Amino acid sequence: KAGVTQTPRYLIKTRGQQVTLSCSPISGHRSVSWYQQTPGQGLQFLFEYFSETQRNKGNFPGRFSGRQFSNSRSEMNVSTLELGDSALYLCASSLDPGANTEAFFGQGTRLTVV
Amino acid sequence: GDSVTQMEGPVTLSEEAFLTINCTYTATGYPSLFWYVQYPGEGLQLLLKATKADDKGSNKGFEATYRKETTSFHLEKGSVQVSDSAVYFCALTNYGGSQGNLIFGKGTKLSVKP
Repeated sequence: KAGVTQTPRYLIKTRGQQVTLSCSPISGHRSVSWYQQTPGQGLQFLFEYFSETQRNKGNFPGRFSGRQFSNSRSEMNVSTLELGDSALYLCASSLDPGANTEAFFGQGTRLTVV
Repeated sequence: GDSVTQMEGPVTLSEEAFLTINCTYTATGYPSLFWYVQYPGEGLQLLLKATKADDKGSNKGFEATYRKETTSFHLEKGSVQVSDSAVYFCALTNYGGSQGNLIFGKGTKLSVKP
């Protein structure tokens, strides 16, 4: 069974540009969450989607947005990139948002903003 | 808001030594608590969890007990192996135990020497 797939694995962008990251959850999983991991702030929650609806959103500026498609694949977009957006972006999928469903993480997309 | 504090690393131990990684939390209500592990080059994996006070989570020789009176969830292992070298993250959720919206500690890097 394939795990959570994030593409691309590595990305270099210039300040002011925008970027789209993709996450394909495990087959059958309908819940997808996104996290930003940096050395300074650690792992911070970005968004959670279930059945194409955003359930929760973390404390990030409006430049960070996301969506989920009918096949449960999810994308996140960051517009007007800043140097501080350089981070590892992790996606996690689970069957549903229920209490006893385990979240499985992808290997992440390493974004470098120059 | 809710938060997790874990001991700073890195932690270096010899094989078969006893491991403790401290984790304390601040949260309203009755959060669920988790330990995740990140091996080099891989995504996060759920190690163990506890959903109510006095619950003990255990897996692969690791244990942690949910202590509401001290707001703690310390990770312990009686005899570490070289293969336990990884980064360990303590986390909580206040969304009915759902792992779709986790608050993480900064992580503790463990290195085990033969």
